[in-house]
Amino acid sequence: QKEVEQNSGPLSVPEGAIASLNCTYSDRGSQSFFWYRQYSGKSPELIMSIYSNGDKEDGRFTAQLNKASQYVSLLIRDSQPSDSATYLCAVNRKAAGNKLTFGGGTRVLVKP
Amino acid sequence: GAVVSQHPSWVICKSGTSVKIECRSLDFQATTMFWYRQFPKQSLMLMATSNEGSKATYEQGVEKDKFLINHASLTLSTLTVTSAHPEDSSFYICSARDGVNTEAFFGQGTRLTVV
Repeated sequence: QKEVEQNSGPLSVPEGAIASLNCTYSDRGSQSFFWYRQYSGKSPELIMSIYSNGDKEDGRFTAQLNKASQYVSLLIRDSQPSDSATYLCAVNRKAAGNKLTFGGGTRVLVKP
Repeated sequence: GAVVSQHPSWVICKSGTSVKIECRSLDFQATTMFWYRQFPKQSLMLMATSNEGSKATYEQGVEKDKFLINHASLTLSTLTVTSAHPEDSSFYICSARDGVNTEAFFGQGTRLTVV
């Protein structure tokens, strides 16, 4: 099992709809979780960070964390064509010396 | 968010030469910096983790004598690709954070082409 797993997609979403992305992780001792967005040819940019169970909202983005089930998700509301990108889930793995480990990313395509 | 500046953004070099890439945290002290490599349409591959004042920790399969990492201050880390070859051509990206569990911010990346 990979340390951080994501569905590679592509996830095709109509403009204005909700995009739902999921991520599972194997290290139960992980304490901090992040979502990054990466446009083609660019470096990743931080969208959200979440540290405790539950939901965290920031604008059109909502991150959800469930440590018992070892998953973290990202919802993008009112999806726009500009949201088309690869979304990377990152987990700070305590068992690996607090190394930031990335999933393979989910490609999202928002169609007008 | 915090700002991490990476330089140069692109570089072309001849096979056999060395290239140095700089990564600076502009508005925070980066206790830890990470160096990644990314090939087209592939995910980020962590090359090494560097803590200020310490030797870098390299991932399995990454040659430490080929990819020299220096993290001499809390705001600067450098990656030197020594004796570069065409297969080293890739997108190199650094990220930095100021604590153990805090957010990591990425530089703009450096696209290296070895001819």
